[in-house]
Amino acid sequence: QQQVKQSPQSLIVQKGGISIINCAYENTAFDYFPWYQQFPGKGPALLIAIRPDVSEKKEGRFTISFNKSAKQFSLHIMDSQPGDSATYFCAARYYQGAQKLVFGQGTRLTINP
Amino acid sequence: DTAVSQTPKYLVTQMGNDKSIKCEQNLGHDTMYWYKQDSKKFLKIMFSYNNKELIINETVPNRFSPKSPDKAHLNLHINSLELGDSAVYFCASSQRTSGRLTYEQYFGPGTRLTVT
Repeated sequence: QQQVKQSPQSLIVQKGGISIINCAYENTAFDYFPWYQQFPGKGPALLIAIRPDVSEKKEGRFTISFNKSAKQFSLHIMDSQPGDSATYFCAARYYQGAQKLVFGQGTRLTINP
Repeated sequence: DTAVSQTPKYLVTQMGNDKSIKCEQNLGHDTMYWYKQDSKKFLKIMFSYNNKELIINETVPNRFSPKSPDKAHLNLHINSLELGDSAVYFCASSQRTSGRLTYEQYFGPGTRLTVT
């Protein structure tokens, strides 16, 4: 199954709170899991990424938690700020003669001041 | 500025028309992609080219024809436009990956196509 399921569809968090977005996949051929951030009118931009042999990766306020056995991974945004308001996409990569990214459905995150 | 650029940013046209979207990258990458983002923001790959060679061709109607004149450019021509083609089309680029080696994909700003 070349699908990545993402939830929630939308999320509202107070400033300073923790934002959590979850993704799940079925295909064990996926070998790289990036998160993209997209602001209105802009293209997606890579935020942070992880490989399945690592359970957690942290970059500043952004952390990916990865559970290989459950085939789930999540993005945590600590101390969420209004500037973090954007749409977030999880993705999964597999290689079949070429690199292919399969994206989740996206989460619209709103941080209230 | 080093980036992936697309023209036009907005495209409004009528059903049945033919239109093209252009993409250029000056990042020195050798692989370029076209993605379609529908009204629900779902992002799906359409095509990928490496050094002017088509390497990914997802299930896309024949009305869509990508063309890569050189590795820095990837254009998308759409014939006989339909209402369902309305979407945002993103171009992206990266270095060619091989097996487990992964390179980041850089996305352009998108072209919003509206078919009336």
